[in-house]
Amino acid sequence: QSALTQPASVSGSPGQSITISCTGTSSDVGGYDYVSWYQQHPGKAPKLMIYDVSKRPSGVSNRFSGSKSGSTASLTISGLQTEDEADYHCSSYSSSSTPFVFGTGTKVTVL
Amino acid sequence: QVTLKESGPALVRPTQTLTLTCTLSGFSLSTSGVRVSWIRQPPGKALEWLARIDWDDDKAYSTSLKTRLTISTDTSKNQVVLTLTNMDPVDTATYYCARSKYGVPFDYWGQGTLVTVSS
Repeated sequence: QSALTQPASVSGSPGQSITISCTGTSSDVGGYDYVSWYQQHPGKAPKLMIYDVSKRPSGVSNRFSGSKSGSTASLTISGLQTEDEADYHCSSYSSSSTPFVFGTGTKVTVL
Repeated sequence: QVTLKESGPALVRPTQTLTLTCTLSGFSLSTSGVRVSWIRQPPGKALEWLARIDWDDDKAYSTSLKTRLTISTDTSKNQVVLTLTNMDPVDTATYYCARSKYGVPFDYWGQGTLVTVSS
């Protein structure tokens, strides 16, 4: 089972918007609306930010939004803030024999 | 308050079996719709899903590690146990347990426990 493909790094200035992509296949991202996104600060556990492509858990800022087109999902952070600097991981349900697959991870830097 | 906490050895020798325990608080694995997964992260690398156990005792494993993994529960202690046999230095990672509920994936995570495999 191959990991989902994410850019290694994305950067932006405070107040800007950035988008992180997550590319899979028709067996995972493209086949199901079960993509989720996690934020991870250094030395900390991941935190759920988006699930089911575009749903936000209670307490997560509406500056975070998710979408999907074909086999590529995207996480957009608008109004970038210094505390958004972290690693971001996507995940998807998969119809392969391993039911969940994570992405390669993206480091977001706030310039 | 929902919490999960991993516990286990910090150092394991090659070929040994790793046993990790995830202690659940604020919820029960016996509740319909609840699932607990184990996920690991080698230093500086990506997350990797390992195994899952459901409220109805259904289980699923990573295909690549299936022959080495076992997930189980101790309902009396509200714990989920993961064993990984034949440990190798490439298994060095922080191991997390995480809850899923009613289709919301990994909504709560433990703090993680770093396991180093070295002779």
